[in-house]
Formats: sequence, C-alpha cells, structure tokens
Amino acid sequence: KQEVTQIPAALSVPEGENLVLNCSFTDSAIYNLQWFRQDPGKGLTSLLLIQSSQREQTSGRLNASLDKSSGRSTLYIAASQPGDSATYLCAGRRYNNNDMRFGAGTRLTVKP
Amino acid sequence: EAQVTQNPRYLITVTGKKLTVTCSQNMNHEYMSWYRQDPGLGLRQIYYSMNVEVTDKGDVPEGYKVSRKEKRNFPLILESPSPNQTSLYFCASSLWTSSADTQYFGPGTRLTVL
Repeated sequence: KQEVTQIPAALSVPEGENLVLNCSFTDSAIYNLQWFRQDPGKGLTSLLLIQSSQREQTSGRLNASLDKSSGRSTLYIAASQPGDSATYLCAGRRYNNNDMRFGAGTRLTVKP
Repeated sequence: EAQVTQNPRYLITVTGKKLTVTCSQNMNHEYMSWYRQDPGLGLRQIYYSMNVEVTDKGDVPEGYKVSRKEKRNFPLILESPSPNQTSLYFCASSLWTSSADTQYFGPGTRLTVL
C-alpha cells in the first residue's frame, strides 16, 4: 500500500522567503504525483501534476520535482507571499490503481 | 464553468438519522470518488466509481453507501450516521484515463453527527 508523508506539518516563514515543502512516498511504482492547495473551509485546487515520466513541473513561482528512486517529491515556492498561506497536500497515484494516496498536508503561514 | 458541486455544504444531524450528500459534475467524467478528511490523517477514500453502475470500496467504506445511476451524479448515503462519521467530505471527479489526468474536487461538506 502506498503511504504518503509530509514533513513538516506546519511551517511559518517571513514574506519573500523561498521555501521547500517535502513529500515522501513508499511505493516507487508511481503513476503521477500531484500537489494541491487547500484554503480554510475550501476544497482542493490542483497546483501541479508530475507524470511518472517527468522529473519536474513549473507554474509561475511554483516548481515541483519528482524523484521516484528515492520516493520523494518537493514543492518549491519562490518569493513567498501572504497569499500563499494555505495547506499544501501531495497525493500519489499508483499504476493500475483506482485511488490517490494523500499526505496529511503542510500548513504554510507566510507573515507580512 | 467546469465544476464539481456538493450539497449541502454544512450539515448537523443526530445519530441514526439517514442522510444523503449529493455530488454532481458537469465535465462528463467517468471517474468519481468520495473522500473524508480528518485532522492529521489527510484525505481517505470512501468509495469510487469508474462509470455508471460501477462502484467499489475505498479505504474506509464502513457505514457508507453510494450509487451511480447517472454519469454526472454520485451521492453519498449514510444510512445510520454515528459521531465517528463527523468529518469534512469531498467529492472528486476525473477522466482518469492517463497519467496527465487530475482530479477536480468539490467545495466540501462539513458533517457533524451528534
């Protein structure tokens, strides 16, 4: 069974700092790895999806990487802003599997 | 606008009183899924459906039922709710045909069972 872990559970940084969120997974037979953002009381918004054949994806100030051999993915946020404050979840989907495994999330606070 | 809708958004009920949470998507997606989210546990899958009349259990199906009579709708039924089903529930849908397909999530339903 795929297990997904996110460390740290919470992170607080000053505005403007670059930061990295970590996600580790136990099964290297991963089909894709996705990062979501969740604002309080809201649903999940997909940020980046990395397919198994890819190493990274970029969108604006966000860059996500995938290293299947080490079972790790990172989400890099450049020049953080208070509006980036949210919970970030990673989720992995395995080959021939009909679900996604979610980490418990990292709650990010960016202080002005 | 492409979206997944859930109703109700908030619900407070009592133990044993049957309830249904509706989920609808307008993207013609075959795959639909229900998750529950609890503090410190992340999202856990309750049930999923690969197509009309095809449903299967996820990780935590006990105490829940689903049906998929139409492609766009995937209601979650709690026939006899208990306090341990107090949670935040999400419905999601996807094409689910390739590794590039993401899941689209509804806004969530916060359920409290007293």
